[in-house]
Parts: sequence; structure tokens; C-alpha cells
Amino acid sequence: EVQLVESGGGLVQPGGSLRLSCAASGFTFSNSAMTWVRQAPGKGLEWVSGISVSGGSTYYADSVKGRFTISRDNSKNTLYLQMNSLRAEDTAIYYCAKGYGSGFYRWLFDYWGQGTLVTVSS
Amino acid sequence: EIVLTQSPGTLSLSPGERATLSCRASQSVSSNYLAWYQQKPGQAPRLLMYGASSRATGIPDRFSGSGSGTDFTLTISRLEPEDFAVYYCQQYGNSPYSFGQGTKLEIK
Repeated sequence: EVQLVESGGGLVQPGGSLRLSCAASGFTFSNSAMTWVRQAPGKGLEWVSGISVSGGSTYYADSVKGRFTISRDNSKNTLYLQMNSLRAEDTAIYYCAKGYGSGFYRWLFDYWGQGTLVTVSS
Repeated sequence: EIVLTQSPGTLSLSPGERATLSCRASQSVSSNYLAWYQQKPGQAPRLLMYGASSRATGIPDRFSGSGSGTDFTLTISRLEPEDFAVYYCQQYGNSPYSFGQGTKLEIK
């Protein structure tokens, strides 16, 4: 059974930092592109960042470029999102999601975690 | 960046009725790389459709997708009580891999 379990969320002050983790199991993690998607309270889904199977290619939404860094450790089956210079508008549930396949299918998502809440507030 | 606009924002229908949800892209979606997701309150999204018209594993055949280029449609032929949820389209052909703002399907 595929499982994605996010952790690391919490309350942080504006300008602060947080690192999210996503522990994966039930599939070959090193064969799957991975993505972070967020959802502000009561709002829609926003694609945040994606990473290739090797970690050699990374992609970011303009809203987080230069502040967030996605990475992965295939030996630990874990995906990360380092978030710096956090703003109130970064407040959201952050989901990690598994890519469906290869090529362009890396960037649609067949399994999702349950999310971790990040609140940016003073 | 491709902007996806979904309509209507809210759709009120009764079980057994047909639902038609629209997703319009600001520019052509490469090779119809368009997906649909369903999200229920307190849950993560679930993949329904990909490639505009292919059902994901385990999705019942009352769900169908169509369209190409900039205009796409998700149709639910006969609504079941469990289908009332929020639906999102997503394009995965061009980074950033954007989502639409969602259509809420509610019970009338």
C-alpha cells in the first residue's frame, strides 16, 4: 500500500523558516517524481514545487521561487521542502504527491499524503 | 504560465442528475495533458481522469472527460451521493503545473 506521510508543519513567524518532510513507502520512491502542492484554508490547490527522480531537476512556482527548496533522499525514501522567508500568504496545508509515471505523466499525481499545516503568523 | 478557469464555481444538482463541469485554459494544453481531481472535505485530492479522457484506476465509468486544446469537460452521467465534492482540473504539460480554482458540486 502506497503511503505518504508529511511532517514538520507548525506555527512560524513571518520571515522564519521551516522544513517539511514526506516519508514514502509502498512503492519504489527512487523511480517516482515527487511534488509539493498546497492549499490555503478554504481555498483551491496550488502547485508549489516538483523534483525529478534523481533530484537533478527541480521546478518551482513563481510565488515560492528563491525562498523554497525541494530536495529528496532516495536512500531514506523521503522528500523535503525547505521554506525560508515565510510570509502570511504561505499559510496552507502542504501535501506531498507522487508522480503517476514517466515523461509528462510525472506531473500528475496518483497518490497524495494527508498534508501538514503551516501557519505563518506573529 | 497557463491559467485554468473552471465553471461554474458552484453546481447544485440532485442525485441521479447529470453534471457537466468546464475547464478552460488560457492557452492550448500540450497533447491534452489535462487531469481532473476530486476532493472531499478533510481529505486529500483523488485523481479521476488524465489525458483529458482516460479514467484513473478504480474510477467508475459514470465519470468521463472530453475536450482538447483550451476547452475541457468533466461529465458525471448519473450523480451518486458520494460524488458531491470539489473538482479541480490540472494541466501537466507545462511548468508551472497549474490547477483550476475548483468547482463545488453540491446537493440541491
